[in-house]
Amino acid sequence: KAGVTQTPRYLIKTRGQQVTLSCSPISGHRSVSWYQQTPGQGLQFLFEYFSETQRNKGNFPGRFSGRQFSNSRSEMNVSTLELGDSALYLCASSLASSGGISYEQYFGPGTRLTVT
Amino acid sequence: KNQVEQSPQSLIILEGKNCTLQCNYTVSPFSNLRWYKQDTGRGPVSLTIMTFSENTKSNGRYTATLDADTKQSSLHITASQLSDSASYICVVPSDNAGNMLTFGGGTRLMVKP
Repeated sequence: KAGVTQTPRYLIKTRGQQVTLSCSPISGHRSVSWYQQTPGQGLQFLFEYFSETQRNKGNFPGRFSGRQFSNSRSEMNVSTLELGDSALYLCASSLASSGGISYEQYFGPGTRLTVT
Repeated sequence: KNQVEQSPQSLIILEGKNCTLQCNYTVSPFSNLRWYKQDTGRGPVSLTIMTFSENTKSNGRYTATLDADTKQSSLHITASQLSDSASYICVVPSDNAGNMLTFGGGTRLMVKP
């Protein structure tokens, strides 16, 4: 079974620009979560999508947004990029959660975003 | 505030030696605790998931323990190998569905020959 894939793997953008990152979950997984990883803040939860709906959201400004398509693929968008947005962006997928059961999350390799 | 704290921040050991990494958490509600291994530039890979009713869980040379009363967990690595060099991250979901993860700062382990 193919793992979580993310594209592109590396990206260089200029301040003020916007960027869209893509994540394809493991087949059959309906939940996709996004995380930001920086040396200073470590890993932080951005948001989670399930069945095309944002179900949970972390403490990030509105410049960070996302969406999920009917095939569970997800995109994350960052508008008006700032230098501090330079980070590794990870997405993770898991089976649909129900009845209080917590499923394991499988991470993709990440997209390394550099803002200059 | 939900928090996960790990110690030490970094650790250097010789190949073949054992080591233990620590994790303290204050996350509520608590459903499970996870240890991940992350190689440089790669996504984290799950090592173990422990529910509140489990005290010990092993995955090869990795053994995790959990004390839900004191809210502490440890990850013990036996007979370390060079490939164990990585960051080890303790993770606790802050929602019952397990999709909002609170991460510790990680322990960066370096195994030297």
